[in-house]
Formats: sequence, C-alpha cells, structure tokens
Amino acid sequence: QVQLQESGPGLVKPSETLSLTCAVSGYSISSGYYWGWIRQPPGKGLEWIGSIYHSGSTYYNPSLKSRVTISVDTSKNQFSLKLSSVTAADTAVYYCARSAVVVPGDFDYWGQGTLVTVSS
Amino acid sequence: EIVLTQSPATLSLSPGERATLSCRASQSVSSYLAWYQQKPGQAPRLLIYDASNRATGIPARFSGSGSGTDFTLTISSLEPEDFAVYYCQQRSNWPPEVTFGQGTRLEIK
Repeated sequence: QVQLQESGPGLVKPSETLSLTCAVSGYSISSGYYWGWIRQPPGKGLEWIGSIYHSGSTYYNPSLKSRVTISVDTSKNQFSLKLSSVTAADTAVYYCARSAVVVPGDFDYWGQGTLVTVSS
Repeated sequence: EIVLTQSPATLSLSPGERATLSCRASQSVSSYLAWYQQKPGQAPRLLIYDASNRATGIPARFSGSGSGTDFTLTISSLEPEDFAVYYCQQRSNWPPEVTFGQGTRLEIK
C-alpha cells in the first residue's frame, strides 16, 4: 500500500520560505511516476503547485513558477517543496500526491495534508 | 492556461436519486480529464481518469463521459456517503500542466 506523509512547519512568517517534505512508503520513487504538490486554501478549491519525476525533471504551475522549487531524494524515498517569499495568500493545506499516469496529473495516492499558515 | 468550469456550484438531491455533474474546458483537453471526490477534512480521492475510466476500488455507480471540452460525472443512485465536493482536473501533456475546476458541492436535499 502506497502511503505519503507531509511534514514541515505549520507556521511561516511573511516573506520567508515555506519548506515541506513528503515521505513515501510502500513504493519506491525511483520506480517511476510523477510526484506532485497540490494546495487548498481554507474553504477553497485545489491548486496544482508542481510535480517531479525520479530523475529530477520538474514541471511547475506557471503562476507559482518563480517562487517554487521541488526536489527529490531517492535515497530517502522522499520529495520536497520550497515556496519562497510567502504571503497570507499562501496559507493553505498542502498535499503531496502520486500521479497515476506517466505525466503530471491524475493523482491516485495522497498524503493527509498539512496546514501551513503564513502569519507574523 | 486551460480553465475548467464546473456546474452547478451546488447540487441538492436525495439518496437514491441520480446526480449529473458537468465540467467544461476552455479548450480541448482530449480525454485527459479526471474527477475527484473530497469529504471534509480529507484528501481528495480519485474517482475517474481519462474521462471514463474508474479508478481502483471505485463503485460502478460512478461513471464519467465526454471528450474535447464537455465532460460529465454521473452517480446513478446516490448513497449517503456520496454527499461531498467533486472536482474535475485536466492534464496537458505538453507543456505538462494540471488545472482543477472550482468544484461542485453535492448536498443532501
């Protein structure tokens, strides 16, 4: 059974960098598929942030591209998200997920999500 | 960017009734359209991928149809556990990009 678990600070100050990690168990990231980050502001809809392949190939949401970095550590079977220069608008539940297909999208396994609040 | 518009925003039905949810794309997405169900406090669950294929473990009462710009999620006979928010999602192969619709809330009438 594939399981994903997000971890990281729940509170980040404005203008700082949000950093989250997604630990994967039950499946080796090196075996394939894209691994992604999706966020959901409180009471709102879903927004794709970006995805990464085990080789390190990345694709980002154009609206966030200038602030986002996604990286992978296959030795630890985990991948990470960094979002710089955060504002209150970045307050959201952040999910990590696996794509069911060989391109970003169609996410079949999800983490439980972690709430990140941007506030001073 | 491809924009997905879902309708209606809210759908009020009773258990046992048939639900029809719509998702329209601003340009053709071929059949690269997925549907998710999300319940309060939970992560989304993949229901349908490639417009009409049920994901693993999804009951047969859920079905998807459509291609190009117009898609439909149908729940043939609503069960109490089906009342939730539903999102559509498209994936572009090049450049790889993913967008979600704004969601349809399915509530008990």
